[in-house]
Amino acid sequence: KAGVTQTPRYLIKTRGQQVTLSCSPISGHRSVSWYQQTPGQGLQFLFEYFSETQRNKGNFPGRFSGRQFSNSRSEMNVSTLELGDSALYLCASSPLGQETQYFGPGTRLLVL
Amino acid sequence: TQLLEQSPQFLSIQEGENLTVYCNSSSVFSSLQWYRQEPGEGPVLLVTVVTGGEVKKLKRLTFQFGDARKDSSLHITAAQPGDTGLYLCAGPFMTGKLIFGQGTTLQVKP
Repeated sequence: KAGVTQTPRYLIKTRGQQVTLSCSPISGHRSVSWYQQTPGQGLQFLFEYFSETQRNKGNFPGRFSGRQFSNSRSEMNVSTLELGDSALYLCASSPLGQETQYFGPGTRLLVL
Repeated sequence: TQLLEQSPQFLSIQEGENLTVYCNSSSVFSSLQWYRQEPGEGPVLLVTVVTGGEVKKLKRLTFQFGDARKDSSLHITAAQPGDTGLYLCAGPFMTGKLIFGQGTTLQVKP
């Protein structure tokens, strides 16, 4: 099976812009989670989607949002970008009934 | 409050040495996972431990889950430069959410 894929891999934006990141889970996985990774804070949970519904959300401002499509693909959007949003954004998928998550390679976002 | 505490945070050793990384919590976890991450890439799952006291081996890597399911350890025998990376432990906090330790950066020098 193909692994989790994320596009784009790298992105440079300026403050105030918005960005959309895409994630395709492993075939058959219906749960998709998003994480932000920074050197100072480590890996932090953003949100999780299952069957097009957001089931859990982390402690991030409303500028961070996401959605999931009927084919389980997911997108996350960050509006009004801030310098502190520079990070590696990771997507992970899980098969039904399992706690183990399988990560994609991430999208490296740089906000100037 | 970090639910999962990893130690040490940094480790620099010579090729051939042994090492142990610890992952501790005051909370009970139904399972714990270990990942290795290389720069610019996502974490890659190494192992999931589920049963208290469980020991799993992956070549030169030995993973142990504490009897009370509050801690885990990763032991590497005869480390190789290819073992260099960030090692992360993670536990499920709620459905679809993993809590991660801060990670252990391992550097193995030839």
